[in-house]
Amino acid sequence: EVQLVESGGGLVQPGGSLRLSCAASGFTFSDHYMDWVRQAPGKGLEWVGRTRNKANSYTTEYAASVKGRFTISRDDSKNSLYLQMNSLKTEDTAVYYCARGEYYSLEYYFDYWGQGTLVTVSS
Amino acid sequence: SYELTQPPSVSVSPGQTARITCSGDALPKQYAYWYQQKPGQAPVLVIYKDSERPSGIPERFSGSSSGTTVTLTISGVQAEDEADYYCQSADSSGTYPDVVFGGGTKLTVL
Repeated sequence: EVQLVESGGGLVQPGGSLRLSCAASGFTFSDHYMDWVRQAPGKGLEWVGRTRNKANSYTTEYAASVKGRFTISRDDSKNSLYLQMNSLKTEDTAVYYCARGEYYSLEYYFDYWGQGTLVTVSS
Repeated sequence: SYELTQPPSVSVSPGQTARITCSGDALPKQYAYWYQQKPGQAPVLVIYKDSERPSGIPERFSGSSSGTTVTLTISGVQAEDEADYYCQSADSSGTYPDVVFGGGTKLTVL
């Protein structure tokens, strides 16, 4: 059974930093692209960024709203995905989901999601 | 990247058929994917590649596509289907597929 479990959320002041983790199990983690998607309170889903797999050199992409502030990394030996968030803004307040990405023929979607971890940016 | 447009809300009585639409200029070229999100829970994929149903998703969930509009149809709606539904597609006009979500539709079971 595929499982994705996020951790690391909490309350942080504007301008601060936070690191989220996602522990994966039930599949060959190293084979898959992995993404972060967030959802502000009462709002819709917003893609944050992704890391490709080893076969695609672990390259990363980010949404314009977080580029230069957030960094996605992974440790295949630990089946773990990370999101380092710096220079946090109040508008980054959201539930952050880890999701497994499926990429084929220029198509992309998410077949499994974690339960999410809440990040609150407030003074 | 382009936009996907969904109605904010759809209401239906139990046992009736609910239809949720999603419109976008790239949908004739790109597949659509649908996610169900119940309050306080993570999204769950219910339809992929416009009309395919993942294992474990009830047969009452189906998807279709026509031109720039895709439709999620829930036949014989049950109370447990009350949730937010999001369509998603990929914008492949750039160097990598950009993920696009619709704004979501709240399905209310009367």
